Amino acid sequence: QKEVEQDPGPLSVPEGAIVSLNCTYSNSAFQYFMWYRQYSRKGPELLMYTYSSGNKEDGRFTAQVDKSSKYISLFIRDSQPSDSATYLCAMSAGAAGNKLTFGGGTRVLVKP
Amino acid sequence: DSGVTQTPKHLITATGQRVTLRCSPRSGDLSVYWYQQSLDQGLQFLIQYYNGEERAKGNILERFSAQQFPDLHSELNLSSLELGDSALYFCASSVRPLHETQYFGPGTRLLVL
Repeated sequence: QKEVEQDPGPLSVPEGAIVSLNCTYSNSAFQYFMWYRQYSRKGPELLMYTYSSGNKEDGRFTAQVDKSSKYISLFIRDSQPSDSATYLCAMSAGAAGNKLTFGGGTRVLVKP
Repeated sequence: DSGVTQTPKHLITATGQRVTLRCSPRSGDLSVYWYQQSLDQGLQFLIQYYNGEERAKGNILERFSAQQFPDLHSELNLSSLELGDSALYFCASSVRPLHETQYFGPGTRLLVL
């Protein structure tokens, strides 16, 4: 079983809808949680970064972390066709070398 | 544009050969990370350097090695290449080794024939 599980999708939504993405993890040492967006054949781009549990909002993006359930979410409001990409969650325990463990990514398609 | 640069963008080589991938971190970043992304394994952490010293190792094969130079650029050396080494190789950088935000470069696409 992988340390971080993420539904590969694809997740297809109409333009303007809310995109809901999530990851589950097994390592309780993870304290830092990130969401990256990756367009085809490009490097991952950092979208959101949160520490420990709670919510964080940045424009159309909201990240939620529930450490008790080992579950993190990313919501994208008012989705646009330009949001079509693969979204990767990533986690780190922090102190131990700062290495990130990634989920497999969810492919999102926003249809005009 | 993240500010991290990687060369070359594409590399085609044969099995058994050796290649070197190069990464220049963002200005001011002291830590460099290498990742491998393949269809079956996803994005996997390989190795991290901070200010010239190795900080952490992930799933890096013995045939692979890396170093970070005094000017902070880094090189990933892949030797005795196998077909399965074909993948995207990303470099990322961050300000400090404990800083949780890493910025990724555009990657080097390696094809081993």
